[in-house]
Amino acid sequence: QVQLQESGPGLVKPSETLSLTCIVTGDSISSTNYYWAWIRQAPGKGLDWIGSINYSGTTYYNPSLQSRVTISVDMSKKQFSLRLSSVTAADTAIYYCARSTGAFDNWGQGTLVTVSS
Amino acid sequence: DIVMTQSPDSLAVSLGERATINCKSSQSVLYSPNNKNYLSWYQQKPGQPPKLLIYWASTRESGVPDRFSGSGSGTDFTLTISSLQAEDVAVYYCQQYYLTQITFGQGTRLEIK
Repeated sequence: QVQLQESGPGLVKPSETLSLTCIVTGDSISSTNYYWAWIRQAPGKGLDWIGSINYSGTTYYNPSLQSRVTISVDMSKKQFSLRLSSVTAADTAIYYCARSTGAFDNWGQGTLVTVSS
Repeated sequence: DIVMTQSPDSLAVSLGERATINCKSSQSVLYSPNNKNYLSWYQQKPGQPPKLLIYWASTRESGVPDRFSGSGSGTDFTLTISSLQAEDVAVYYCQQYYLTQITFGQGTRLEIK
């Protein structure tokens, strides 16, 4: 059974870079069957797809965030990462990592990231 | 981008009654070569991540109770809960994966009447 676990700072200052990591256990992150994704949810709001990456490093990003987002994968460590630059209070959200076959069939528990000075 | 619009925004249904949530996409998510609709449904309870209920518009994820069903094609889709249980109180989202730019509906809050 695949499990995903997000980790990273819970507080980031405005204008700085948010960095999160998702560790994948119970499944091969190098599988050709899946993409690995980041999704966020602002407090009391809906779901917002940030981007996805596959085993070969092919990435797709939300156009609204594309200029600030980088998603990378490290298969040796069985993890993938999110970097979001120049953050503002609007980036305050629960950040989820998930496995994707198009639909997101497995999710991490999420980590709250607050942008504040 | 494909815009996903759910209706209603909130819904109150009595226990044991049918609940119906609609989702409309701004363009078709039906891929003709394989006749599959690239549409999924999720359930999110407070303090939890979303849970996949339905994919390919009508295929129930393993372990999901059969009171949950999905239907529709092209641009119009429905999630139906045939007999509402107390544990079904949640927010429900639809999502399209027809395009690589994935988008979600705004969510429908389901409560007990």
